[in-house]
Amino acid sequence: SQTIHQWPATLVQPVGSPLSLECTVEGTSNPNLYWYRQAAGRGLQLLFYSVGIGQISSEVPQNLSASRPQDRQFILSSKKLLLSDSGFYLCAWRALGQGTDTQYFGPGTRLTVL
Amino acid sequence: EDQVTQSPEALRLQEGESSSLNCSYTVSGLRGLFWYRQDPGKGPEFLFTLYSAGEEKEKERLKATLTKKESFLHITAPKPEDSATYLCAVQTIQAGTALIFGKGTTLSVSS
Repeated sequence: SQTIHQWPATLVQPVGSPLSLECTVEGTSNPNLYWYRQAAGRGLQLLFYSVGIGQISSEVPQNLSASRPQDRQFILSSKKLLLSDSGFYLCAWRALGQGTDTQYFGPGTRLTVL
Repeated sequence: EDQVTQSPEALRLQEGESSSLNCSYTVSGLRGLFWYRQDPGKGPEFLFTLYSAGEEKEKERLKATLTKKESFLHITAPKPEDSATYLCAVQTIQAGTALIFGKGTTLSVSS
């Protein structure tokens, strides 16, 4: 079965510091991968998605970036964090099958920028 | 602009008191509607996908239905362990594979 991992689970960082969040998927190959952010009082917002190694699409302009160095690894980064980057970051992978198209989410990373 | 609105924002029920959560959507072309359950501090857990008006799906005490403008998540005889935030999301032709989420309904069931 497929499993999605995210780390770290929680992170507290000062404004202006760099960021690296990692997501890995097990049990599937060449998955579509997604980064979402959930901010207080707002719905989940898609940040980036990737259909393959080195292929990244950005949905919203921001100071975050994403990379996909390996088939089942997706990384979210920032060179300098802002207060507004605080939130719950979720990685998801897309399962495609006969009559189904579903995204499954990881456990998330809680980021607090102080 | 594609939009998803969930109501109510919060719902308190007594154990065994059935009710429904609403998800209304305004989209250019619906490919699918998804329901997720999210417990505090955790990632959303997939519940259902609905693809066409009139479709219904059930899982234990939950039943999801879909019309051309909205979806309902019916909860029959809820238990305290059903307490969670329920999220609705749509996938549209224009947005491709991206999911557009509502803000969720937080359900509290007391014994």
